Amino acid sequence: EIVLTQSPATLSLSPGERATLSCRASQTVSNYLAWYQQKPGQAPRLLIYDASNRATGIPARFSGSGSGTDFTLTISSLEPEDFAVYYCQQPGRTFGPGTKVDIK
Amino acid sequence: QVQLHQWGAGLVKPSETLSLTCAVSRGSFSGYFWSWIRQPPGKGLEWIGEISQSGSSNYNPSFTSRVTLSVDTSKNQLSLKLSSLTAADSAVYYCARSSGYDFPYYFDYWGQGTLVTVSS
Repeated sequence: EIVLTQSPATLSLSPGERATLSCRASQTVSNYLAWYQQKPGQAPRLLIYDASNRATGIPARFSGSGSGTDFTLTISSLEPEDFAVYYCQQPGRTFGPGTKVDIK
Repeated sequence: QVQLHQWGAGLVKPSETLSLTCAVSRGSFSGYFWSWIRQPPGKGLEWIGEISQSGSSNYNPSFTSRVTLSVDTSKNQLSLKLSSLTAADSAVYYCARSSGYDFPYYFDYWGQGTLVTVSS
């Protein structure tokens, strides 16, 4: 079973700052990696699929990169609505433990 | 755009069976796999299994022995039954659509979630 690890567990930043979130897989997943955003009381929302493709309606400030075992989600300039938990997910349908982006 | 609306009992007794239904509207039901995913309070996401319109299914090995997925194509609905419940099964349960160009693996549309509490 492929295990995903995410770092850091918590990222404390201010609006306007750049956020860089990491996801590492225990084995290669090629470019098959998705990212989700989840706010309290809401279902997760797909942000990125196939490592770097933005889902429909996702703002350009969200970008994904990486392949193989190491992936990055970047939020170029944090908006107030971006403070949330972010999960990565691989084709075996397992998710990483999440990174919480909170307000510094 | 595709909408998923789910419902079912929110309080279930230990050892009994959880039963949830998810209706798909404003989009095609065929040609996709439809998944159930759960999230215990304050914890991460766990995939339970998926089923296609034709009834083909895949399960998380952790649930194989006690999960049943079904579809009603006449109503564009999918259902989840999870038996032998314990307190550890208390969670928010989501239905979601599986998508992917090469093969379906990511979840692009989600239901609103149903909180299920297992308690006597």
